[in-house]
Formats: sequence, C-alpha cells, structure tokens
Amino acid sequence: DIQMTQSPSSLSASVGDRVTITCRASQSINSYLNWYQQRPGQAPKLLICAASRLQSGVPSRFSGSESGTEFTLTITNLQPEDFATYFCQQSFVTPYTFGPGTKLEIK
Amino acid sequence: QVQLQESGPGLVKPSETLSLTCTVSGGSISGYFWSWIRQPPGKGLEWIGYIYYSGSTSYNPSLKSRVTISLDTSKNQLSLKLNSVTAADTAVYYCARLERRWEYGDQPWSFNFFDYWGQGSLVTVSS
Repeated sequence: DIQMTQSPSSLSASVGDRVTITCRASQSINSYLNWYQQRPGQAPKLLICAASRLQSGVPSRFSGSESGTEFTLTITNLQPEDFATYFCQQSFVTPYTFGPGTKLEIK
Repeated sequence: QVQLQESGPGLVKPSETLSLTCTVSGGSISGYFWSWIRQPPGKGLEWIGYIYYSGSTSYNPSLKSRVTISLDTSKNQLSLKLNSVTAADTAVYYCARLERRWEYGDQPWSFNFFDYWGQGSLVTVSS
C-alpha cells in the first residue's frame, strides 16, 4: 500500500494568517492527490483534486501544489470556518489511502 | 444536488455481520463508482472498497475477505456487508461517490476523487 504522511499533525493559527500543510507519498503518485476538509461531526468535503485543481464552490484562498512526492495545501487569509482537520488522499492506485490528518486550530 | 444517506443498525455484536445501506438521491447510480469509507472515532479515514454501476468491485485487501459491496439500481442504493466484526470495526461508516474526471491536453488522462459523501453512520461493535 502507498503510505501517506502529513505534517504538521496539528497547528495553531489566527484569522487572516497563511498556513501550509504538507503531504508526502511513500512512492510516486504523479498528480493523483486529493485534499479534503473535515469539520467536527461532519463528513469530509473535497477541496482540491489532482493536486492543484480547485473543486467548484471552494474559495480561492485554498490552493494546492506538488513537487515530486510532496504535496502542499496552502490556505491564505484564514477564515473562522477554515479551522478543521485536513486530509490528503492518493487516488493513484488501490487501495486508496489517506494521510493521518492535520488539525488546524485557532490560536 | 446529489445526496447520500447511510442507514443501518448502530450496534452490532462481535462475530456478527455489519450491514449498511446508502440511498442516493438527486442523481442516478448509473455511470459512477460508489465507495464505502470508514473512520474509527478520533482517527483517520480508511477506504473499504468501491463498486461500479456495472457491478464490478474493488476491495481493500485488509478487509477483502470480510467485505461485500453491492448495488440495487432499482432503488438507487448501495450496500455494505462486513462479517465477523470485532471492536476494531467500530467506526463511522461513510458512503461516497467516486467521480472520474478526464482532461484532454497533449496527453489525455483521468483522475478520480470522492466528491459527494453521506453524513456517516456510527456503528459500534459491542456485546
């Protein structure tokens, strides 16, 4: 199975800040990487697919990039509703696997 | 707007079979892949498997011997059965649509992602 790791596991930030979350795959997955946001008690919500493609309806303050097996989710101008847990997921090969998550908390 | 809703018992005894149904509304099951994903309390997400509307399936090898995913296209529903459950199977179970998108550039390629999710159904395995 392809292992996905994320860093940091948690971070604190303030409204208006810019934050970056990193996801690494244990092997090459090309651009087959998706990002999800999960608020407490809710299902995950797709933010970005194929490493950098913003899902329809997702604010443009979210962006994704890639470099080899390292993928980055960047959120600029943090809003109160952005404080949640973020997961990456590889769709290169089954079994699809998710990162352990990064919890973004209000400072 | 596509909506998914899981339903089924919230409590299952050890060694028995966990059964869940996901009802899809606002769209057809036809033409898509449909998945089950689970999340133990306070933990990460685990892909269980998917089924294509044609009936072909793919399962996570870690669960393959115990899992069956099926479709009822007449009811626009998919189902999950997980047998011989233990406490380790306690989780919130989600159904989700696995969308495939194509891009046509110099080299056409497709990628997939989970775009619609149900609200989740907590299943506890306990005697």
